[in-house]
Amino acid sequence: ETGVTQTPRHLVMGMTNKKSLKCEQHLGHNAMYWYKQSAKKPLELMFVYNFKEQTENNSVPSRFSPECPNSSHLFLHLHTLQPEDSALYLCASSQGVPRGEKLFFGSGTQLSVL
Amino acid sequence: SQQGEEDPQALSIQEGENATMNCSYKTSINNLQWYRQNSGRGLVHLILIRSNEREKHSGRLRVTLDTSKKSSSLLITASRAADTASYFCATDADNAGNMLTFGGGTRLMVKP
Repeated sequence: ETGVTQTPRHLVMGMTNKKSLKCEQHLGHNAMYWYKQSAKKPLELMFVYNFKEQTENNSVPSRFSPECPNSSHLFLHLHTLQPEDSALYLCASSQGVPRGEKLFFGSGTQLSVL
Repeated sequence: SQQGEEDPQALSIQEGENATMNCSYKTSINNLQWYRQNSGRGLVHLILIRSNEREKHSGRLRVTLDTSKKSSSLLITASRAADTASYFCATDADNAGNMLTFGGGTRLMVKP
């Protein structure tokens, strides 16, 4: 158990649905991240929050909308997704925005868009 | 663009053998980290080596870093079936705002 919990573990949604992914960390960390992992591609950083403020948005389409109400919780709101958005979405946390710090990952949400 | 690239992409060995995975990167870094991922799960941090370090050990893991060649290697000694996983290097590069950039990973299979 890494101290980072993601729900749901699996999600199947249609292109017109709206759903949200949730991440919670119990480590007292200040930074939280969303990564996307597609088959046969490197891990892609999507968003970074540091002390609840978004510090990175890696050119992510607007159909992905992050929300960070406090340092322990992170959401990813999904709407009108495309089949190519099917992937494993990983949440991570670190003490601060990494300057040589390690990341703690959740188990991920496996998303399938039909 | 991808900063770290692992080699080989896939590796299959027998239990008890050593497994060596390599990572090459393009720009100067502050540190390099190795992570492990079991199928369909999150990544787990294994070891971090700083740019002024050349070698680091943790249990059966040995990591080397050669900044002149911009490369690192991860050695797992006396492998076990439970070591079967994907292994990723991640670099903390000066030109990436110090965000971690991950490579494509090496898929290791250890046969019992």
